[in-house]
Formats: sequence, C-alpha cells, structure tokens
Amino acid sequence: EDQVTQSPEALRLQEGESSSLNCSYTVSGLRGLFWYRQDPGKGPEFLFTLYSAGEEKEKERLKATLTKKESFLHITAPKPEDSATYLCALMSGAGSYQLTFGKGTKLSVIP
Amino acid sequence: GAGVSQSPSNKVTEKGKDVELRCDPISGHTALYWYRQSLGQGLEFLIYFQGNSAPDKSGLPSDRFSAERTGGSVSTLTIQRTQQEDSAVYLCASSLGPAETQYFGPGTRLLVL
Repeated sequence: EDQVTQSPEALRLQEGESSSLNCSYTVSGLRGLFWYRQDPGKGPEFLFTLYSAGEEKEKERLKATLTKKESFLHITAPKPEDSATYLCALMSGAGSYQLTFGKGTKLSVIP
Repeated sequence: GAGVSQSPSNKVTEKGKDVELRCDPISGHTALYWYRQSLGQGLEFLIYFQGNSAPDKSGLPSDRFSAERTGGSVSTLTIQRTQQEDSAVYLCASSLGPAETQYFGPGTRLLVL
C-alpha cells in the first residue's frame, strides 16, 4: 500500500531562518511526487513535480529534492508570507492516477 | 486563465438530507478528480474521471456517494442521506490528462448537523 509520511507536523521559524520539510514515502513504482501549498480556507496550490531520484526543482525561496525514499522541501530565508501548510503527494505507477497525500507540515514564519 | 471552480463554497445541511456539489474544471482538461479533506486528516481520493472512460470509483466510502460528469466537463458529487461523519471539505481537481499535474479548486465546506 502506498504511504506518505510528512515531518514535522508543525514548524515555527524566525524570518530568515532556513529549514527543511521531510516527506518519506513507500510506493510500488513512482510515477511522480508532488508538493502543494495550502493556505487556510483554500484549495492546494501546486508547487513542484519530481519524477526521479536526484531531481531538484527551485522556485523563489523553495527547493524540492527527491531520493528513492524521501523528498525534501528546503526553505531558504523564509518570509512571513511563506506561512502555510505544505502537502506532499505521490502518484503510483500502478493503477489509477489519484494522488496519495501526507497529512502536511504546518509552517509558521514569525517576523 | 480561469482555474477550477466549485459551488457552493459552503453548505450546511441536516442529517439525512441529500446534497449536490458542483465542479467546473479548467477548460480543456480531460481528467477530473474528487478528494475529501477531513479535520486532521490528509486528502482522501474519492473518484476519478478520464474523458469518456468509465470512472474509477474505488475511493468512494459508501454507496451513499455518487458522481457524474456530463459532456466531459462539469461534474457533480452527490451525497445521499448525509451523516455527520460526511462533514468535510470536498475538493475537486483537474489535469490536462492522466499523470499530469492536478490543479485544485477552492473546495466546498460541508457541515452536516
């Protein structure tokens, strides 16, 4: 069974304090690993897709990396507007195309 | 361009009533998904439509839940005889095709009293 575990559940950072969010997964053949950002009361907003181990993608202060067992979302010099819940999801290579989500990491960036 | 839209934004209903939730996908997207997000839980897959193929209903929690997609575009999720445990945010997503990035709507917040 496909599984996604995110850690930590919650993270408080001072503005400018860099850190990483972890997404551990087990899957029978990975079709893609996705990162989304979700603000309170809104739907998830797409950030990145990673397809194979060793792949990296960057957008502003965010950088996503992928290994065969984990993905990391690195946040460099975060700002208060980066506060949100970050969701990791995988799409299995077997069967249908639905996403299996982790429970998310709630990030708070304090000015 | 326009994103995925959902209506209503919020729905309060009484236990035992039926509800219909609507999703308008991004124009040109052939794949459409429904997910449910309960308090403290991750997003849970419900159903997947791809073009004119038979939908993948493997995530529907009970036979009280059904969905249809008319003309390959708009989709309606129906919950019959609602229960309190059905209270959640129902999210719709669409993608250009299978295995492509899914883009989510704002969700419908359902509260069953």
